[in-house]
Amino acid sequence: KAGVTQTPRYLIKTRGQQVTLSCSPISGHRSVSWYQQTPGQGLQFLFEYFSETQRNKGNFPGRFSGRQFSNSRSEMNVSTLELGDSALYLCASSRSGGDGYTFGSGTRLTVV
Amino acid sequence: DQQVKQNSPSLSVQEGRISILNCDYTNSMFDYFLWYKKYPAEGPTFLISISSIKDKNEDGRFTVFLNKSAKHLSLHIVPSQPGDSAVYFCAASAFGNQFYFGTGTSLTVIP
Repeated sequence: KAGVTQTPRYLIKTRGQQVTLSCSPISGHRSVSWYQQTPGQGLQFLFEYFSETQRNKGNFPGRFSGRQFSNSRSEMNVSTLELGDSALYLCASSRSGGDGYTFGSGTRLTVV
Repeated sequence: DQQVKQNSPSLSVQEGRISILNCDYTNSMFDYFLWYKKYPAEGPTFLISISSIKDKNEDGRFTVFLNKSAKHLSLHIVPSQPGDSAVYFCAASAFGNQFYFGTGTSLTVIP
């Protein structure tokens, strides 16, 4: 079966711009979570969506937002980009959220 | 506030020997723990899990030990192989909520 697909794989943006990242979960998975990975910080939880509703949210500023569509695909948006937003953004899907994740390969965002 | 900690950023082990990766957590409500392995330019892949009702789970060369009183878990890899060289993350969740990840330990297995 197809895995979790994240697009694009790489992105370069300038400070102040906004960006939208996309995630297509495994078929049948209704939970999609987003994580930010930076060196030394591990994977920081951004938010989780389940059946089009945000179910959990991490400690990130309001510039980070997301949504989930009826087909469980999810998008993450970051507005007013800052240099510190440069990171690998990982999307993970699962059937219900508490049973472990399957991760995508991530989107590497570089803010210049 | 890092609820899951991996205090060793890196570990080097000779091929064939045991690799022991450690993880500590602060939230006593965590009841489900996972280990993930990550190669460069790839997303983390699930390795092994353990629920808080157990203190050990084994899958081939990989064994996870959970010490609830110490709020500590460890991953043992025996024997270690060069292909095991990767970054290992532990993760924990409570009541099916989101997983909290550690900062990762980079394992290098020397041939």
